[in-house]
Amino acid sequence: QVQLVQSGAEVKKPGASVKVSCKASGYTFTGYYMHWVRQAPGQGLEWMGRINPNSGGTNYAQKFQGRVTMTRDTSISTAYMELSRLRSDDTAVYYCARDDTPFRTGGVIIAPDYWGQGTLVTVSS
Amino acid sequence: DIVMTQTPLSLSVTPGQPASISCKSSQSLLHSDGKTYLYWYLQKPGQSPQLLIYEVSSRFSGVPDRFSGSGSGTDFTLKISRVEAEDVGVYYCMQGIHLPPFGQGTKLEIK
Repeated sequence: QVQLVQSGAEVKKPGASVKVSCKASGYTFTGYYMHWVRQAPGQGLEWMGRINPNSGGTNYAQKFQGRVTMTRDTSISTAYMELSRLRSDDTAVYYCARDDTPFRTGGVIIAPDYWGQGTLVTVSS
Repeated sequence: DIVMTQTPLSLSVTPGQPASISCKSSQSLLHSDGKTYLYWYLQKPGQSPQLLIYEVSSRFSGVPDRFSGSGSGTDFTLKISRVEAEDVGVYYCMQGIHLPPFGQGTKLEIK
């Protein structure tokens, strides 16, 4: 069965960086885009971007351009999301979520099916 | 930016009664590949979102058949034929071809 297991909660100071991991199992890691979505406390869902684990190609939401970096390590079926220059309003639960279509081509399509358990990132001085 | 508008923002339903959530998009969700990328998710309290419906009306694996999706173009609906206690949470519609993708959510409570 598909499983996405994320790294544990983080507490960071403003201006620092955080790197969240997402270990995939139960499917061919390189065959499906991985999305990253965040949720501030009591708020809705916000798409941050996606990575093609096969090529390493990425698409980021404009809001996060220049601050977010998505990478992967295919040898351990793990995707990473690093967010830099953290601010207090980056406090949120960060989710990885697998795209629902194998070897998706064409433009950016956002279609997650399985989600990780979430990683709480708290930014506080 | 596209705007996804869900109504109502909250609803309280007696167990066994039906429920319906509307999702209207400010732009067509029909992609050039012929698919309409409209999805429904349920986020139960303290949990990650879980996929219920994909491409307007297809139920995801393991989703009970009391959940159904319909619509086309810019107007979409999620229906629960008979609400159960385990259906509480926030329902999000999401479109996959424009940014930002998610609606604001609809909170379902049990009376």
